[in-house]
Amino acid sequence: QPVLTQPPSESGTPGQRVTISCSGSSSNIGSYYVYWYQQVPGMAPKLLIYGNDQRPSGVPDRFSGSKFGTSASLAINGLRSGDEADYYCATWDDSLSGVVFGRGTKVTVL
Amino acid sequence: QVTLKESGPALVKPTETLTLTCTVSGFSLNNARMGVAWIRQPPGKALEWLARIFSNDVKSYSTSLKNRLTISKDPSKSQVVLTMTNVDPLDTARYYCVRTDYDPTWFDAWGQGILVTVSS
Repeated sequence: QPVLTQPPSESGTPGQRVTISCSGSSSNIGSYYVYWYQQVPGMAPKLLIYGNDQRPSGVPDRFSGSKFGTSASLAINGLRSGDEADYYCATWDDSLSGVVFGRGTKVTVL
Repeated sequence: QVTLKESGPALVKPTETLTLTCTVSGFSLNNARMGVAWIRQPPGKALEWLARIFSNDVKSYSTSLKNRLTISKDPSKSQVVLTMTNVDPLDTARYYCVRTDYDPTWFDAWGQGILVTVSS
């Protein structure tokens, strides 16, 4: 069983809003910052969101993160074809004493 | 410009020891805020954090793999080395070298990764 639970896929049409959920527990999301990584097919992952809701320089404000309790979510507003990718949530887990990733959510633009 | 480049064998046999090297540029392994981690991704599967080494030589390992992993660094060569003993076909994956910092989940620069296949 994955420590962080994400839906395997989400989809939307261009311009729509897509939300990806990431569910954890008190030993991980409930206690630490959540990060999101975007992995375009064939490429290395890229840091998308850090500190629950902060965007690194260069990441469009169409991407936003939030956290409430032991869950987090990533929202993509104004969906574009270039947003087709796998999205992973990540955080530290006290029980495992290590970084844990969700299984990833594949976003498809219809 | 920060870059990380992984090198090592593309094919290893079961039970052998895998040694991967990460050569970094654009930052120093002695930088007080910097560290390097290894993350792997089996084909078509999710990311898995393996290990991390920090500037002060503090090391962290995945609980499930710690008995098989060793991470070390040579700042004079700008290199970080990961060894994995007793490899198995389940260790087949793309292995990424990644820059990190005080927050162990911060990975702001990634190598292109190296695909390692474990097969006899």
